[in-house]
Amino acid sequence: AQTVTQSQPEMSVQEAETVTLSCTYDTSESDYYLFWYKQPPSRQMILVIRQEAYKQQNATENRFSVNFQKAAKSFSLKISDSQLGDAAMYFCAYRSYGSQGNLIFGKGTKLSVKP
Amino acid sequence: GAGVSQTPSNKVTEKGKYVELRCDPISGHTALYWYRQSLGQGPEFLIYFQGTGAADDSGLPNDRFFAVRPEGSVSTLKIQRTERGDSAVYLCASSLGTGPQETQYFGPGTRLLVL
Repeated sequence: AQTVTQSQPEMSVQEAETVTLSCTYDTSESDYYLFWYKQPPSRQMILVIRQEAYKQQNATENRFSVNFQKAAKSFSLKISDSQLGDAAMYFCAYRSYGSQGNLIFGKGTKLSVKP
Repeated sequence: GAGVSQTPSNKVTEKGKYVELRCDPISGHTALYWYRQSLGQGPEFLIYFQGTGAADDSGLPNDRFFAVRPEGSVSTLKIQRTERGDSAVYLCASSLGTGPQETQYFGPGTRLLVL
């Protein structure tokens, strides 16, 4: 079974600075998708960024980028120019390529942004 | 259009009671997912619908949990003989299709508290 591990329960960053959130996963599959979701206090999960395992190029979405290391099974999220609105829980998630179903989530990292 | 909506936002019940949680997916989305998020944890998959049928219910913890989607749109998660351990946020998500690349859009969840 696949597992997702987020080893940082909490992180803090100064406004306008850069922060990296870590995620590792365990799988025997070669094709899969990885995601970062943001969950603000409103509880609604919002997709931040997605990475297809077969793509070597790291995904980027504006201030958000990932460092995908397939051999190491590592998928970190970098947030540049952090903003107060970035404060939230961040969840890393895995989905099998052949799956029509569920996401497998890590336990999350709580990000605080200091003004 | 409107996003995924869930009602009620919060539900308090007594141990042993029956509860129903409702999910209204994005219009036109054929796939619908239920997840449960316990305190301090990431969401855990419960059940997935493709149209009206449950395509995968392997995440349901026991036979007290049941979900329906009779017309392929709104879904109801039903919990019988609630237990204190059922207390959690129940999240619903929908996606346009079933492929692994499809983005799952989440609702704000229902926070269930069993006293």
